[in-house]
Amino acid sequence: QVQLQQSGPGLVKPSETLSLTCTVSGASISSYYWNWIRQPPGRGLEWIGYISHSGSANYNSSLESRVTISLDTSKNQFSLKLNSVTAADTAVYFCARAAAAINWFDPWGQGALVTVSS
Amino acid sequence: SYVLTQPPSVSVAPGKTAMITCGGNNIGSKMVHWYQQKPGQAPVLVIYSDSDRPSGIPERFSASNSGNTATLTISRVEAGDEADYSCQVWDTNSGVFGGGTKLTVL
Repeated sequence: QVQLQQSGPGLVKPSETLSLTCTVSGASISSYYWNWIRQPPGRGLEWIGYISHSGSANYNSSLESRVTISLDTSKNQFSLKLNSVTAADTAVYFCARAAAAINWFDPWGQGALVTVSS
Repeated sequence: SYVLTQPPSVSVAPGKTAMITCGGNNIGSKMVHWYQQKPGQAPVLVIYSDSDRPSGIPERFSASNSGNTATLTISRVEAGDEADYSCQVWDTNSGVFGGGTKLTVL
């Protein structure tokens, strides 16, 4: 059974960098596409981007200038970095797997609330 | 950018049928996926590729996609179906979600 687990600070100061890691168990990160998706409180889901098993990344154009997704195959993890954060970046951040680049998301991690506040 | 429109809320009595729509320009030409999300939990895939059910999802969940509207149908609704439901597509290599619909079981 594939499981994803997010980890990282729950509080980030404005203008700083949000960093989260997703640890994958039950599947090799050297296959599939690995996504980050977020959900602001009380609002809908927003796709942030993905990184492929080969390390190529694709980002939401609205966030592309601030986001980096990377792979660590030695730890079977992938990571999200979002710089220059503001209060608008406060959200629950989910990691999720997709079988191909343009595909459904399954499974998802449990989510990690990140609050941007001084 | 591509926009998916869902009604904010749908209410249905137990045992009845709920229909949740997802509107988008020529959405029928795209593959639509549906997710169920209960409070405080991660989304769960309930329909993929317009109308396929993952293993473990009851047959009561079905979906269709044509023209400008995709529809998720939940038959014989149960109290445990109360949740937010979101549709999702890919457009120009970017993931797009609808705003979500809160299903209330009366």
